[in-house]
Amino acid sequence: EVRLVESGGGLVQPGGSLRLSCAASEFTISGYWMGWVRQAPGKGLEWVANIKPDGSYTSYVDSVKGRFTISRDNAKNSLDLQMNSLRAEDTAVYHCSNIRFYGRSWYYDYWGQGTLVTVSS
Amino acid sequence: DIQMTQSPSSLSASVGDRVTITCRASQNINTYLNWYQQKPGKAPNLLIYAASTLQTGVPSRFSGSGSGTDFTLTISSLQPDDFAAYYCQQSSSYPITFGQGTRLEIK
Repeated sequence: EVRLVESGGGLVQPGGSLRLSCAASEFTISGYWMGWVRQAPGKGLEWVANIKPDGSYTSYVDSVKGRFTISRDNAKNSLDLQMNSLRAEDTAVYHCSNIRFYGRSWYYDYWGQGTLVTVSS
Repeated sequence: DIQMTQSPSSLSASVGDRVTITCRASQNINTYLNWYQQKPGKAPNLLIYAASTLQTGVPSRFSGSGSGTDFTLTISSLQPDDFAAYYCQQSSSYPITFGQGTRLEIK
């Protein structure tokens, strides 16, 4: 069974940093674009970042640009999200997911259960 | 940025009802539109991709249609397991955007 398991969440003060990781099992991430999607408590889904299979291209939602960095280690079969200068509005459950293409269309396929990040003093 | 607007935001329906959720994009996204179902405390689950293609394993009572700016998700006969939140998502261009969600509740 394919599994994506996020870790690294927790309580952090405003201005602090956290590094999230996403470990894949029964699934090799090296051939896939990957992404992070978050969901604030009681709110909807928000895209955070995507990364190309070789890590050469990344894209971010404007609200995290310059503060978050998505990266991957294909040898370790893992995806990371380094989050700096955290704000209260970054409080959310963060999900990792792989991207599957269908022609030029694409979608988020497998999802992890998420890790909760709480930014509060 | 492409804005995705879902309607309604919430919906009460009964088992056996036919339900339609709409998603409107602020500009043409061809058929680069996906639908996800999410139950409380769980990760989203893909239902429909490329506007109308049913994901493997998803019951055939779910269907999607539309292109350009207007899309619909239809559940032909609601089952107890279908009461959840539903989100559309465009993959046409960055930044990727989701609709605000539709909460489907039992009447």
